[in-house]
Amino acid sequence: SQQGEEDPQALSIQEGENATMNCSYKTSINNLQWYRQNSGRGLVHLILIRSNEREKHSGRLRVTLDTSKKSSSLLITASRAADTASYFCATVDFDGQNFVFGPGTRLSVLP
Amino acid sequence: DAGITQSPRHKVTETGTPVTLRCHQTENHRYMYWYRQDPGHGLRLIHYSYGVKDTDKGEVSDGYSVSRSKTEDFLLTLESATSSQTSVYFCAISEVKRETQYFGPGTRLLVL
Repeated sequence: SQQGEEDPQALSIQEGENATMNCSYKTSINNLQWYRQNSGRGLVHLILIRSNEREKHSGRLRVTLDTSKKSSSLLITASRAADTASYFCATVDFDGQNFVFGPGTRLSVLP
Repeated sequence: DAGITQSPRHKVTETGTPVTLRCHQTENHRYMYWYRQDPGHGLRLIHYSYGVKDTDKGEVSDGYSVSRSKTEDFLLTLESATSSQTSVYFCAISEVKRETQYFGPGTRLLVL
């Protein structure tokens, strides 16, 4: 069964605006990771947040984790056309046996 | 994609034929993974390896087998390809279990 579910499935914004994507999951996790995939390419790791962390930043990226609600959000500030891509969350359980990706959010940043 | 290559990058084959995809890494990472990516499903884990000759099944392992005889190579074999195995296949590596994965460029497979 799918662990992570991103929301929305697709998002279209203007350059300079902020983009927020959400990820919900069902069971306890060791960590949650966000990845980006440009069209026709492999996934690129963006950020990892552990179950005992609530917020992490990396450049224009801000990730939050709410384990009580089993949800995470990825905020991209001051978006650029180059941010156009699909974004995936992946949840990892404590055994590390299950590394489960959601179906992704397709972000389009219009110039 | 640095440090991970996949071959072939594109393949067209016929139903019933065996197919082998290769993943090669130069990072000396212990863990290697094979995923398939289909529209609406995200990535689904097929098999993974936690060392030479040590492999285990993932979520969608039926119809696939793997082998890892060297740290740097992880092979995925479709024993008898079916049209449902038409997909994009990604290899990934990680140094530490449960941590960041690094992905290869993918192999597009079409089974006719």
